[in-house]
Amino acid sequence: GEDVEQSLFLSVREGDSSVINCTYTDSSSTYLYWYKQEPGAGLQLLTYIFSNMDMKQDQRLTVLLNKKDKHLSLRIADTQTGDSAIYFCAETEGSYIPTFGRGTSLIVHP
Amino acid sequence: DTEVTQTPKHLVMGMTNKKSLKCEQHMGHRAMYWYKQKAKKPPELMFVYSYEKLSINESVPSRFSPECPNSSLLNLHLHALQPEDSALYLCASSQELGALTFGSGTRLTVV
Repeated sequence: GEDVEQSLFLSVREGDSSVINCTYTDSSSTYLYWYKQEPGAGLQLLTYIFSNMDMKQDQRLTVLLNKKDKHLSLRIADTQTGDSAIYFCAETEGSYIPTFGRGTSLIVHP
Repeated sequence: DTEVTQTPKHLVMGMTNKKSLKCEQHMGHRAMYWYKQKAKKPPELMFVYSYEKLSINESVPSRFSPECPNSSLLNLHLHALQPEDSALYLCASSQELGALTFGSGTRLTVV
């Protein structure tokens, strides 16, 4: 079955870049997503990428996809304290139902 | 309106109570979802309603029952819950595959 793996924690200094990594097993994945969840809130879709792309940039966010290695990353430039949250990687293979990773807690310290 | 609205935001209920969680969206999205989320865990899918068809995660106990009065509403009825059902319940909707818009959730405590 599908499996999405993420490291559980990442700690960075304010102003540095953060890179959150994700690996998935389903070779038929067609859409890959990054969601952000702040404490006590629902998930917020940050960005997504189609499997025929290898990069997408949106302001401070850069998504890189290595389809051969089934590896997805999210780079946040100039990380701020407001970026502290849990980041979930997710994938679908053409259905309405995404498979979520366990989430990476990003901690930004001064 | 680009939001998914969930009510109530917090709910405390006893194990013999019956309550309902409400979810509404006015974005014309074709699919609506209920997720359960425990602390420090990813959301777990409970139900999906898309194209007027309800799909159920078979591991969800029958004390949870969804109701879809129309394409903008997806309610979740709760009956005879257990303390382990205490969690954050998230509603979401989507138009595009997997690109979900989530509500802010209902924090449920079963006592």
